[in-house]
Amino acid sequence: RKEVEQDPGPFNVPEGATVAFNCTYSNSASQSFFWYRQDCRKEPKLLMSVYSSGNEDGRFTAQLNRASQYISLLIRDSKLSDSATYLCVVNLSGGYNKLIFGAGTRLAVHP
Amino acid sequence: GAVVSQHPSRVICKSGTSVKIECRSLDFQATTMFWYRQFPKQSLMLMATSNEGSKATYEQGVEKDKFLINHASLTLSTLTVTSAHPEDSSFYICSARSRQGSNQPQHFGDGTRLSIL
Repeated sequence: RKEVEQDPGPFNVPEGATVAFNCTYSNSASQSFFWYRQDCRKEPKLLMSVYSSGNEDGRFTAQLNRASQYISLLIRDSKLSDSATYLCVVNLSGGYNKLIFGAGTRLAVHP
Repeated sequence: GAVVSQHPSRVICKSGTSVKIECRSLDFQATTMFWYRQFPKQSLMLMATSNEGSKATYEQGVEKDKFLINHASLTLSTLTVTSAHPEDSSFYICSARSRQGSNQPQHFGDGTRLSIL
């Protein structure tokens, strides 16, 4: 079983749509959680950290359910520029020490 | 701020060649640098963690004699793929973390695409 599992997609959505990605992780000792964005053939860039209380950054909302070992990302009012691969990332020892990446969910936003 | 530069961005070479990739933190001091590898449509996989002034810690299954890591200064780590073969073709990405500790985010370089013919 992979340590971090994501639906690879692709999710093809029109501009303005709301789209949600899910992720599960296998190690219950995981302490910190993130969503990264990776454009084609580029390095990953931190989108946001994820907390149990949920956190929102503009059109992006992330949520963590520790009991279910489940992480989500919601994107509202999708833009063309949101097209990318979204990587679910967990860290076992807290902070940013050793990151375990999911394989990513690809999003394609079309006009 | 927090810029990490990786060089070269693209390498194409013959089988058996050794390739060196540099990772530099441009505006901060990085006590720890990480080297990842990503095959097409797969996740980034941590290869090794490099601490300045000490030996790198390699992940299980990564050959330390094939992937030589040097982290001689607080702003530079290098990864040398020795005697590269076609199966080593991949996207190699480094990241760096400031000397302030493990709660600081990792900042990623823009990657090196290695193709071995």
